[in-house]
Amino acid sequence: GNSVTQMEGPVTLSEEAFLTINCTYTATGYPSLFWYVQYPGEGLQLLLKATKADDKGSNKGFEATYRKETTSFHLEKGSVQVSDSAVYFCALRRIQGAQKLVFGQGTRLTINP
Amino acid sequence: SQTIHQWPATLVQPVGSPLSLECTVEGTSNPNLYWYRQAAGRGLQLLFYSVGIGQISSEVPQNLSASRPQDRQFILSSKKLLLSDSGFYLCAWRLPASDTQYFGPGTRLTVL
Repeated sequence: GNSVTQMEGPVTLSEEAFLTINCTYTATGYPSLFWYVQYPGEGLQLLLKATKADDKGSNKGFEATYRKETTSFHLEKGSVQVSDSAVYFCALRRIQGAQKLVFGQGTRLTINP
Repeated sequence: SQTIHQWPATLVQPVGSPLSLECTVEGTSNPNLYWYRQAAGRGLQLLFYSVGIGQISSEVPQNLSASRPQDRQFILSSKKLLLSDSGFYLCAWRLPASDTQYFGPGTRLTVL
């Protein structure tokens, strides 16, 4: 079946630190992959996406590369800010059906000044 | 531009009471619509999706139901709430030709 596994949180870093949040997936075919971010008390916002192998999604200094060989889509940022504190969700779009998203369990990130 | 609204933003209901959460989308036509639930400290679970008026698919058996009376309106309901229905409910929409879902602000439901 289709599934997404994220590194367990919570993750706490200091401002300007390097961030990596691991995400691996299991799927049939070649799903599209997404990172969503949820700020406190809010809904989810699309952060970035990649639709095929070796694609790199990027936004707001965050990057993730679609790695088919390792079935991974790790999220990275070179220098985090306090405003990046949020919960991050990795997701894949199922090929079959009405394009339903399968989410990882989320990783809570806290950045200290 | 497209916008998605959910209301109410927060809701506290007693066990056994009915529920109605509403989601509306503006600025687009014939979207696919989705209801998700996020239980405390957990990920998102897809509850229902709809590809058109009156067309509802359920992902998991549960105490909830969904309806789509109009093209851009999606309603989540229950006749009798359970404690386990507490959570953060998110509505999302997607254009059929796109693979990206856009989420509403959510409704936080507490069942006491």
